Amino acid sequence: AQSVSQHNHHVILSEAASLELGCNYSYGGTVNLFWYVQYPGQHLQLLLKYFSGDPLVKGIKGFEAEFIKSKFSFNLRKPSVQWSDTAEYFCAVLPFSGGYNKLIFGAGTRLAVHP
Amino acid sequence: DGGITQSPKYLFRKEGQNVTLSCEQNLNHDAMYWYRQDPGQGLRLIYYSQIVNDFQKGDIAEGYSVSREKKESFPLTVTSAQKNPTAFYLCASSIDTGPVELFFGEGSRLTVL
Repeated sequence: AQSVSQHNHHVILSEAASLELGCNYSYGGTVNLFWYVQYPGQHLQLLLKYFSGDPLVKGIKGFEAEFIKSKFSFNLRKPSVQWSDTAEYFCAVLPFSGGYNKLIFGAGTRLAVHP
Repeated sequence: DGGITQSPKYLFRKEGQNVTLSCEQNLNHDAMYWYRQDPGQGLRLIYYSQIVNDFQKGDIAEGYSVSREKKESFPLTVTSAQKNPTAFYLCASSIDTGPVELFFGEGSRLTVL
């Protein structure tokens, strides 16, 4: 069965530290990749996405992610986190195997950034 | 403002009762979805609808039912047959069911007492 694995369930960082959240998926075909973020008390929103082209994609608020096809990975990075980045982050994969939208979500990573 | 409105935000029910969660969107999106979010499990798809009067089961449809009589509305009923209904429920929509962005509502938290 297809799955998405996020390696860290909880991450605690100090402001200005660098961030890397891991995401691996199990699907051998073409995929579209997403990172969603859920800030405390807010709805899930799209952080960035990869469909094709440059495997290094940039999103909102200084986040970026790199698609490494050979490793089935789509890790999220930010060089210097802020307290306002405290949120839950979800990686999601859409296998390009059908005509319908069926995202597969990872379990999420809760990030806490301390001032 | 365009978006997705879910209601109620918090809901309590007794065991054996059905409850309906509302989801309304004014984004003119064709596709709508219901997800269930549990701690440590991410989001799991309950039902989705590609177009009015059509809907399909997702990965965990047992104990749930939906309807799609209007483009902007996709209510979810949690029936008494759902064995573990306490959860956070998220409604989402997208312009179609291709590889496009999902827009989410703020969610409804259901607690069964």
